[in-house]
Amino acid sequence: EPEVTQTPSHQVTQMGQEVILRCVPISNHLYFYWYRQILGQKVEFLVSFYNNEISEKSEIFDDQFSVERPDGSNFTLKIRSTKLEDSAMYFCASSASEGQPQHFGDGTRLSIL
Amino acid sequence: SQQGEEDPQALSIQEGENATMNCSYKTSINNLQWYRQNSGRGLVHLILIRSNEREKHSGRLRVTLDTSKKSSSLLITASRAADTASYFCATDWYSGGGADGLTFGKGTHLIIQP
Repeated sequence: EPEVTQTPSHQVTQMGQEVILRCVPISNHLYFYWYRQILGQKVEFLVSFYNNEISEKSEIFDDQFSVERPDGSNFTLKIRSTKLEDSAMYFCASSASEGQPQHFGDGTRLSIL
Repeated sequence: SQQGEEDPQALSIQEGENATMNCSYKTSINNLQWYRQNSGRGLVHLILIRSNEREKHSGRLRVTLDTSKKSSSLLITASRAADTASYFCATDWYSGGGADGLTFGKGTHLIIQP
């Protein structure tokens, strides 16, 4: 069964450094999402992406965050200058169309030191 | 905010028993989805129920939706040890403007005792 893949599984970065999290969505899906889950807390929506542009973003997704679909298969989340509070699991998801189930990857655990 | 909130927060039952988890939300929705998360893993989609549906089945799963009460329930019948996981409801408010993010609840941690 097709799945969403994320790399790396674990990323350790010094505070203030830039980090890029990578995702390969399911190949025929058109809608892409990033979520995060701080340890012990809810899964929180960050941003959605469709037709090569941001469709919706939450308050969390401020100027230090950006997303890109650099080619036909990858979808990336960049955090420009990481903070301690950015430590979390980051999940990528994709869906075939609006209102369809979103399928999640296994996540990248980001640890900011 | 259209947060989903599950209850109970934790549920421990014997293998073979049925498990029921509830979810409440605050605003109008397009659909409601249930997900499972095993410890340290990603979210696995279980079932999606649309706002014009009242009940949906998938294998041992039964989901109900009551839009008048803004609530949903997930029933797992004949539970197995492998069902041990956290279960989340997530709501989707259709804006018509593209990809809509899901709003998740805090989840119910289900433990199936062998």
